Amino acid sequence: QLQLQESGPGLVKPSETLSLTCTVSGGSISSSNYYWGWIRQPPGKGLEWIGNISYSGSTYYNPSLKSRVTISVDTSKNQFSLKLSSVTAADTAVYYCARLDGYIAAYWGQGTLVTVSS
Amino acid sequence: EIVLTQSPGTLSLSPGERATLSCRASQSVSSNYLAWYQQKPGQAPRLLIYGASSRATGIPDRFSGSGSGTDFTLTISRLEPEDFAVYYCQQYSISPPTFGQGTKVEIK
Repeated sequence: QLQLQESGPGLVKPSETLSLTCTVSGGSISSSNYYWGWIRQPPGKGLEWIGNISYSGSTYYNPSLKSRVTISVDTSKNQFSLKLSSVTAADTAVYYCARLDGYIAAYWGQGTLVTVSS
Repeated sequence: EIVLTQSPGTLSLSPGERATLSCRASQSVSSNYLAWYQQKPGQAPRLLIYGASSRATGIPDRFSGSGSGTDFTLTISRLEPEDFAVYYCQQYSISPPTFGQGTKVEIK
């Protein structure tokens, strides 16, 4: 059974870089059939697409975040990662990783809360 | 980008009743590239419907999706206790993919 697990610091200081990793188990990240993505949800609010990556490293970023986002993949570790630079309090959210069928998020990690605060 | 507006914001119903949730797009969603997700408190969203009307694996047939163009509907034919949650629509027709603001289905 496919499982995704986010990991990374739960607290990041303003202006610093948020870094998260998603570890995939029960399936290979190298499948050409799927993309792997990041979606976030500020506390009490709706969902926002951050971006996604293929196993070969092809990326798509939401234009609203593009200047600050980098998504990478490590097929040897079956992981993909998110970096979001120059964070502010507005970046405080639960960050989810997901396996994408096209742009449909069919499988989700449990999510990890990242708080931006000094 | 496509803005999705969901209505109502909150739906108060009793178990066994029928729930009808609306999702309206600011422009046409081509190829019916619209999905619905269910989210319970403290949990990740769960995919219910894709392609406007196709149920995801393991989703009970009391959940159904319909619509085209700019108007889409999620129907829950008879609410079970576990169906009380927040529901989001998502379009993946035009990048970036976007979500509606959600409809909360609460117990009356």
